[in-house]
Amino acid sequence: QVQLVQSGPEVKKPGASVKVSCRASGYTFTGYSMHWVRQAPGQGLEWMGWINPNTGGTNYAQNFQGRVTMTRDTSISTAYMELTRLRFDDTAVYYCVPESTGYGLDVWGQGTTVTVSS
Amino acid sequence: QSALTQPASVSGSPGQSITMACTGTSSDVGGYNYVSWYQQHPGKAPKLIIYEVSNRPSGVSNRFSGSKSGNTASLTISGLQTKDEADYYCSSYTSSSTRVFGGGTKLTVL
Repeated sequence: QVQLVQSGPEVKKPGASVKVSCRASGYTFTGYSMHWVRQAPGQGLEWMGWINPNTGGTNYAQNFQGRVTMTRDTSISTAYMELTRLRFDDTAVYYCVPESTGYGLDVWGQGTTVTVSS
Repeated sequence: QSALTQPASVSGSPGQSITMACTGTSSDVGGYNYVSWYQQHPGKAPKLIIYEVSNRPSGVSNRFSGSKSGNTASLTISGLQTKDEADYYCSSYTSSSTRVFGGGTKLTVL
């Protein structure tokens, strides 16, 4: 079965960077784009972008252009999301989700809590 | 890309049916049949309940159904149950090959 295991919680200071990993198993990693979605406390879902693990191609939401970089290591079926110049409002749970049939996002990682605090 | 528009809350009684809307533009909801819906209970990850406007993933109850007209997609839940109380989010593919979510609708089962 599809499994996604994300890295552990992070606490960062404003202006720092964070890199979250997402190790996939149970399917062909290079066959499906990996999306990243975040959710601030008490807020809704916010789509951040996707990476094509096969080509490395990316597409980022306008809100994150210039601050987010998505990469992957196909040898270990792992995707990464790095967010720079962190702000207090980047405090959120960050999820990785491989794209499934019909552009749906079916199997979600367990989420990684990133807290930005001084 | 602006977020899709969803009502903040809807409510219904057990056994009733409710419908919630998700309004976008011709660049997202209206332009593609790639609208999906997600159910999220507190403290849990979202769960896909509808994809491609009206298709249900395996294991999702047929009490959940989706439709679309123009720039507005809708999710209908029939035979409301207390376990349906949750937040619901719509999402759409966009003309920029990105995705966009709605702000979410809190469903209360009275």
